[in-house]
Amino acid sequence: KQEVTQIPAALSVPEGENLVLNCSFTDSAIYNLQWFRQDPGKGLTSLLLIQSSQREQTSGRLNASLDKSSGRSTLYIAASQPGDSATYLCAVVEGYKLSFGAGTTVTVRA
Amino acid sequence: SQTIHQWPATLVQPVGSPLSLECTVEGTSNPNLYWYRQAAGRGLQLLFYSVGIGQISSEVPQNLSASRPQDRQFILSSKKLLLSDSGFYLCAWSVIGGYGYTFGSGTRLTVV
Repeated sequence: KQEVTQIPAALSVPEGENLVLNCSFTDSAIYNLQWFRQDPGKGLTSLLLIQSSQREQTSGRLNASLDKSSGRSTLYIAASQPGDSATYLCAVVEGYKLSFGAGTTVTVRA
Repeated sequence: SQTIHQWPATLVQPVGSPLSLECTVEGTSNPNLYWYRQAAGRGLQLLFYSVGIGQISSEVPQNLSASRPQDRQFILSSKKLLLSDSGFYLCAWSVIGGYGYTFGSGTRLTVV
């Protein structure tokens, strides 16, 4: 059974600092990996999708890497802003199923 | 463009009452459809998924059921709600080809 772990569980940084969020998974036979953002009481917003054949994806200040062999993905957020405060979830895709980590809750202090 | 609609946004129901949550997708054909639940302080759990009309797969035994009466409509139901059914319910869709998953805005269900 796939286990997805996100470290740290919570993170508080001053505005302008770069954020590094880690995700690890136990079974490397994944189809792809997706990072989401969830604001309190809201649904999930997709941030980045990395296909299994890719090593990284970038969108604006966000960059996500994928190392299938070691079962790791990292989400980098450059020059953090208070609006980046949210919970960030990584999810691995196997067949029809998404397996989620518990998330990292980020607080960016102004 | 594709959109996903989920309603209602919030729901307070007494124990033992029935439940019906609806999800519809626009702008795509033959999507895979999913129901997830997020309980307080816990991760997202896949409840049901469907790859076509009338085709439902259940991931966990529970008090809930799902149906797909039309290609882009997915319904989550219960005949009698339990307190433990409280949570945040999210509908999602995807298509074969790895374009990722798109989630709805969720329904906050409180069973009292």
